[in-house]
Amino acid sequence: DSGVTQTPKHLITATGQRVTLRCSPRSGDLSVYWYQQSLDQGLQFLIQYYNGEERAKGNILERFSAQQFPDLHSELNLSSLELGDSALYFCASSVDSRSYNEQFFGPGTRLTVL
Amino acid sequence: QKEVEQDPGPLSVPEGAIVSLNCTYSNSAFQYFMWYRQYSRKGPELLMYTYSSGNKEDGRFTAQVDKSSKYISLFIRDSQPSDSATYLCAMNTGNQFYFGTGTSLTVIP
Repeated sequence: DSGVTQTPKHLITATGQRVTLRCSPRSGDLSVYWYQQSLDQGLQFLIQYYNGEERAKGNILERFSAQQFPDLHSELNLSSLELGDSALYFCASSVDSRSYNEQFFGPGTRLTVL
Repeated sequence: QKEVEQDPGPLSVPEGAIVSLNCTYSNSAFQYFMWYRQYSRKGPELLMYTYSSGNKEDGRFTAQVDKSSKYISLFIRDSQPSDSATYLCAMNTGNQFYFGTGTSLTVIP
């Protein structure tokens, strides 16, 4: 158990809908990362937050957004969902913004868009 | 061309064998090189990371980086059935992170 928690475990929704995925980092970690894992693309970095501020953006679509709250939990919002958004979404955390080599991953949220 | 290339396998070896997992990359600016293990339906788990060219050993695992060839390897000695998982290589340049697609490994008792 990495100490990173993610809810929900599974999410099934329809195209065009909006969902919110939630992540709580390990105790003491200030940085949160979001990733998308699909069979054809592998693990893709989406976005990083550090202590409430956006720190880096990867291949995140404009339909997706994220935020990190004062209690350090983070939410990833996915809107106007498409079939291709079906994937595993992982959150990871690290102690600070530069310890990216020591990220600890949560168990993931499996999103299915029908 | 992808930033990181990794042979997806699958790789099947008998218990006790030495396993070699490899990745190549194209960006010479990559700084840290990580290896993650991912069991089915679980999140990736960090095994080890290296910063420079050379070898780093941790128990049965050895990570090797050759920056001149843009090639990294993970060796697993005395492989165990519990090592059966997908192994992901990862690397970063600043705050951008790139993962290989993973190599599926099965260790047969």
